[in-house]
Amino acid sequence: DTAVSQTPKYLVTQMGNDKSIKCEQNLGHDTMYWYKQDSKKFLKIMFSYNNKELIINETVPNRFSPKSPDKAHLNLHINSLELGDSAVYFCASSQPGYNTEAFFGQGTRLTVV
Amino acid sequence: AQSVAQPEDQVNVAEGNPLTVKCTYSVSGNPYLFWYVQYPNRGLQFLLKYITGDNLVKGSYGFEAEFNKSQTSFHLKKPSALVSDSALYFCAVKLSGGQNFVFGPGTRLSVLP
Repeated sequence: DTAVSQTPKYLVTQMGNDKSIKCEQNLGHDTMYWYKQDSKKFLKIMFSYNNKELIINETVPNRFSPKSPDKAHLNLHINSLELGDSAVYFCASSQPGYNTEAFFGQGTRLTVV
Repeated sequence: AQSVAQPEDQVNVAEGNPLTVKCTYSVSGNPYLFWYVQYPNRGLQFLLKYITGDNLVKGSYGFEAEFNKSQTSFHLKKPSALVSDSALYFCAVKLSGGQNFVFGPGTRLSVLP
C-alpha cells in the first residue's frame, strides 16, 4: 500500500487553464504539506495543514488554493496556470511535532505550455 | 533567518570509499535535523534524524550522521559507498512548531564504479 499517493504523476496543460492535484495519505497523520521543487531542485514549502486547518501559507499566489476535506486528503487547485508554475509538486505528511519525519508522495510533474 | 546550507552541489566518490555529504544549519533554539534522499523521478525518502541525545545517529541503508553543535553541522556519512547510493541528498530542519521542514539546496552524490 502506498503511504502518500498523488495523482496525476504527470500533468501537461496550457497557460490559463485550471488544474487540480490530489493527495491522499493512509498513515493516520494529522499534518499534511505541499512542497514545490523547481528546476534547480530547490524545495520550498507552499502550505501546511494540521487536522484540516491551514497552518502555513508561504507567500503563494492566490491562484493556488489548497483544500483539505478530511485529514487524510490535501488537494491543490491551481487557477489560471502560468509558465512559471511548471515544477514538481510534492505532497507529504507527518505527525505534528518537531521529532517526526515526513513521508513524501512520488510527486506531480506539472508542465505548462 | 533560520536556514540550512549544503556547501557542495556535487560530491563524487569511488565505490567502496567512505562518503560525506555536508550540512550546516542556522536556527534559533534546539535544532531538529533530518536527511532525505531523492532518486530520479521519485519522492523524498527519509534516511535519519537528530532530535536529542547521541551525536552519532544511524539510519537507513547504512547511512549515519554526526551532529556537531559547536560547528552547527550535521554531516551525512557512510563507511563504504555503493553505486546505488548515487542520488540527490537533502538536509532539512523542522521549524514553526513542527509544521514546516526547511530544506537545504541539495547535494548530488555520484558514486563511480
